[in-house]
Amino acid sequence: DAGVIQSPRHEVTEMGQEVTLRCKPISGHDYLFWYRQTMMRGLELLIYFNNNVPIDDSGMPEDRFSAKMPNASFSTLKIQPSEPRDSAVYFCASSFLGGGYGYTFGSGTRLTVV
Amino acid sequence: KNEVEQSPQNLTAQEGEFITINCSYSVGISALHWLQQHPGGGIVSLFMLSSGKKKHGRLIATINIQEKHSSLHITASHPRDSAVYICAVYHNTDKLIFGTGTRLQVFP
Repeated sequence: DAGVIQSPRHEVTEMGQEVTLRCKPISGHDYLFWYRQTMMRGLELLIYFNNNVPIDDSGMPEDRFSAKMPNASFSTLKIQPSEPRDSAVYFCASSFLGGGYGYTFGSGTRLTVV
Repeated sequence: KNEVEQSPQNLTAQEGEFITINCSYSVGISALHWLQQHPGGGIVSLFMLSSGKKKHGRLIATINIQEKHSSLHITASHPRDSAVYICAVYHNTDKLIFGTGTRLQVFP
């Protein structure tokens, strides 16, 4: 299995632009999580899905952030418009049975907003 | 106060030393993860445990549910063990609550 696949690995964009991050979870996993990691705040959960349905988006910073999971094999995290404070590493992770079995992180997307 | 506390925050060791990283939590949990993050960013789940002890190679993780405490031990440490080790717990939901991490550097 290729693991959780995220793209792009690096993204540099100008303030105000739309940014879309992509994630392909491990086949068979029914949970998908989006995290953000910064030096100041560490790892923060943004949103998670169970069976493609958003369950908890209380970690999404504001309306500029949105996430979708149109099917079991694909999810996107969109930031529109982007701001310099959004610069961080964004991780996607997936697991099955909810209790964290097979919990696997993607390699992350390093986002820089200038 | 954080719900998940790790100690120490930073740790340096000489190759071959036995290392212990501690994690204390203040909430009821269903399971606990130990994660490893190398410089350059990838995060790997080392262990998930809800009781007792697990061992994988030179790594040992223990948990005491009554005392709300877990430890990660590394025997015969090696420079490639240098990483940030993160404790994370499941509390009543499917969400992980993360500790702030322990940065380990092992020198040859």
